[in-house]
Amino acid sequence: EAGVAQSPRYKIIEKRQSVAFWCNPISGHATLYWYQQILGQGPKLLIQFQNNGVVDDSQLPKDRFSAERLKGVDSTLKIQPAKLEDSAVYLCASSLVRTGGTEAFFGQGTRLTVV
Amino acid sequence: AQSVAQPEDQVNVAEGNPLTVKCTYSVSGNPYLFWYVQYPNRGLQFLLKYITGDNLVKGSYGFEAEFNKSQTSFHLKKPSALVSDSALYFCAVRVFSNDYKLSFGAGTTVTVRA
Repeated sequence: EAGVAQSPRYKIIEKRQSVAFWCNPISGHATLYWYQQILGQGPKLLIQFQNNGVVDDSQLPKDRFSAERLKGVDSTLKIQPAKLEDSAVYLCASSLVRTGGTEAFFGQGTRLTVV
Repeated sequence: AQSVAQPEDQVNVAEGNPLTVKCTYSVSGNPYLFWYVQYPNRGLQFLLKYITGDNLVKGSYGFEAEFNKSQTSFHLKKPSALVSDSALYFCAVRVFSNDYKLSFGAGTTVTVRA
């Protein structure tokens, strides 16, 4: 079974530039998550999709971050404009169903450096 | 609100010795608890989970965890650590609620010396 695919693996941009990350979840997984992991911290949920609908985006900085999941499969996360504090690893995860006891499977992440 | 705490930033053990990584949680309601491991430049890998039933759950790579409701803890254990167990370990909790948000602790770095 193929895992969660993310691209690119690494990205370096200057502040105020824009950047986009792509995620392809495990086939058949209805729930998709984007997490931000700052060095030395645990992952923080940015947004959670159920199929192509948003179920939680309470911690997404909506003035600069946006995400979509067209057709309920692939997803993109965009930052515009980027700030220095956005430097982090962005993790995409998916789970088969949206229940409490279902584990999430993570991609390798995209390491973003804003200079 | 839900949260999880990992009181130790680092754990150092000798190969062959028992390994314990501590986790405590704070939730309203019955928790679902998870352990993940992260190797350098890799995503998080699922190790094990507690949903209900037996308080001792077994997972991948010889790891197990014990759910203790009275102490609100879910410590990760391995009877005999290997050098290859050196990694960053995260505890996570989810409560049966409308948002099913998976909340992570800050992580514990485990170093197993040969």
